[in-house]
Amino acid sequence: ETGVTQSPTHLIKTRGQQVTLRCSSQSGHNTVSWYQQALGQGPQFIFQYYREEENGRGNFPPRFSGLQFPNYSSELNVNALELDDSALYLCASSPSGTSGRRETQYFGPGTRLLVL
Amino acid sequence: AQSVAQPEDQVNVAEGNPLTVKCTYSVSGNPYLFWYVQYPNRGLQFLLKYITGDNLVKGSYGFEAEFNKSQTSFHLKKPSALVSDSALYFCAVRPGDSSYKLIFGSGTRLLVRP
Repeated sequence: ETGVTQSPTHLIKTRGQQVTLRCSSQSGHNTVSWYQQALGQGPQFIFQYYREEENGRGNFPPRFSGLQFPNYSSELNVNALELDDSALYLCASSPSGTSGRRETQYFGPGTRLLVL
Repeated sequence: AQSVAQPEDQVNVAEGNPLTVKCTYSVSGNPYLFWYVQYPNRGLQFLLKYITGDNLVKGSYGFEAEFNKSQTSFHLKKPSALVSDSALYFCAVRPGDSSYKLIFGSGTRLLVRP
């Protein structure tokens, strides 16, 4: 098991609502990345945070936003939920940001979000 | 467009036999390549990576992968499969021009029968 934890494990929301997912990174890791894994698909990169700044973003609309805190934990916020937002949301931490191409991303267990 | 392909949705193998899970990629620059495994209701677990150097990379649980630059492939292999290896396997690539994101394939389900 990695030291990456995520909460909650499961969540049910209705269309139009807002949701906040949380991630605690592995000790010593200052970079957090978020991915969306729809059923039957591979994870899709949402964005990455390094030292509390967004370090890169995938092809997701602005209603997907995030934060990173001084202790390197992170939040993923999704506004105006849509049915297609139903997925497993994975958080991954790694040791460094802009110079960290060689680094491995270690994943948490994920939060499964169902939007009705 | 940058992409990763895992051409087989499922691979079936008998316990004790060798296994191969295929992965090809199309990205710019010199890529860094990764394999992850996902068990039911779990996150992704890192198996191995290729950064540079020897084309044959050894990883966790007896898995290895061979990087072939000319064929743009990074196939996952194991000499002798175990029933407990049954899981979903993902190939991922970090493009040469990116310091952050991983691009994942669609996954291959490995089923090892006793």
